[in-house]
Amino acid sequence: QSVLTQPPSVSGAPGQRVTISCTGSSSNIGAGYDVHWYQQLPGTAPKLLIYGNSNRPSGVPDRFSGSKSGTSASLAITGLQAEDEADYYCQSYDSSLSGSRVFGTGTKVTVL
Amino acid sequence: EVQLVESGGGLVKPGGSLRLSCAASGFTFSSYSMNWVRQAPGKGLEWVSSISSSSSYIYYADSVKGRFTISRDNAKNSLYLQMNSLRAEDTAVYYCAREPPGGSYYFDYWGQGTLVTVSS
Repeated sequence: QSVLTQPPSVSGAPGQRVTISCTGSSSNIGAGYDVHWYQQLPGTAPKLLIYGNSNRPSGVPDRFSGSKSGTSASLAITGLQAEDEADYYCQSYDSSLSGSRVFGTGTKVTVL
Repeated sequence: EVQLVESGGGLVKPGGSLRLSCAASGFTFSSYSMNWVRQAPGKGLEWVSSISSSSSYIYYADSVKGRFTISRDNAKNSLYLQMNSLRAEDTAVYYCAREPPGGSYYFDYWGQGTLVTVSS
């Protein structure tokens, strides 16, 4: 089971700002490991959205931003667009599980 | 252009075996750690296994430890996952994913996935 907890769903109207939380513990996010975010559009493979807590890969719009504090992290989407409707997953590393890269439970973003 | 193409999925009976492959191109395969990540139908992502660039370090999720074996052939730019003693709960789309060097622990490129169905 996932060791990083996300809200099952968030929603917003076009143009609004939404945030997705990712709550971990002292063996993953709280231990200083970076948090990364992925976007999964329906029927497609996940795509890297944010790496190293707040860095965007080339081609990712600056509407997407990430932050980390303590044992939690957040993904913010500003100026929500219809094409942002997707599943979003946070991911980190957990030192209590040998070699374990760990994912969040996932959040479905719905554009109203 | 980085490309990862999985193959080898299919329908297998409980207790059976299957070998997945991932063909890599567009980058220096031997310089990157590689991973397998799976997603059960309608569920979230689950990391399965990781292998370092030279195969020196290999890790597995507890859910597959002892049943699955990850390997790679740098000469063939290929990643593999040998899956034995398959269970119904192993039914999922299996993705191979590239991990940047330097202890980054994230996945910058993903394949399109291959579906494994374990059912009698």
